[in-house]
Amino acid sequence: DGGITQSPKYLFRKEGQNVTLSCEQNLNHDAMYWYRQDPGQGLRLIYYSQIVNDFQKGDIAEGYSVSREKKESFPLTVTSAQKNPTAFYLCASDGGGGYSNQPQHFGDGTRLSIL
Amino acid sequence: AQSVAQPEDQVNVAEGNPLTVKCTYSVSGNPYLFWYVQYPNRGLQFLLKYITGDNLVKGSYGFEAEFNKSQTSFHLKKPSALVSDSALYFCAVRDTGNQFYFGTGTSLTVIP
Repeated sequence: DGGITQSPKYLFRKEGQNVTLSCEQNLNHDAMYWYRQDPGQGLRLIYYSQIVNDFQKGDIAEGYSVSREKKESFPLTVTSAQKNPTAFYLCASDGGGGYSNQPQHFGDGTRLSIL
Repeated sequence: AQSVAQPEDQVNVAEGNPLTVKCTYSVSGNPYLFWYVQYPNRGLQFLLKYITGDNLVKGSYGFEAEFNKSQTSFHLKKPSALVSDSALYFCAVRDTGNQFYFGTGTSLTVIP
């Protein structure tokens, strides 16, 4: 079945450490997104990519970095500069601008906590 | 500024009763509207969407939503609630610039 796979499901970060969250999709979607979810705040956009080798900052990009070397993959690195990384991270994808009447598809998330 | 509002953080309804989860939006142009459901420690699952045409759209699991252009609302409804409908519900809007905006979510509890 087509879908989005996020790994790991749970992740713990030590102070000063960078950690990378994986997101892989087999939906042949051009666009991919990373959201952060905190209780009561809904979803906030971290980064998005409309095409391979290109990405843009979202509303809360500070302390995060991404790459888009392959269409299927959009990993997110939470750097040590992100002082409050504890949250639920969601990856999503869709067909891009030509398919704006289609919904975004979501992975099952990664829950990141600080040790 | 573009925005989506879900005015109720929490909605409680008795099993078998009709349920409504409210959503209003402030987006220029003719946006596309979506509802998603989220179960604990899971991603968002698509329920239904409004693109154009009939103001009442039907979706998964017996849910429907009514689009009201004059009130800029897109309320989610179900005629008879199930305990298994208890979850977090998100309204989302996609504007003409292809930007997605999500509401802050409404937690629905269906009481047996």
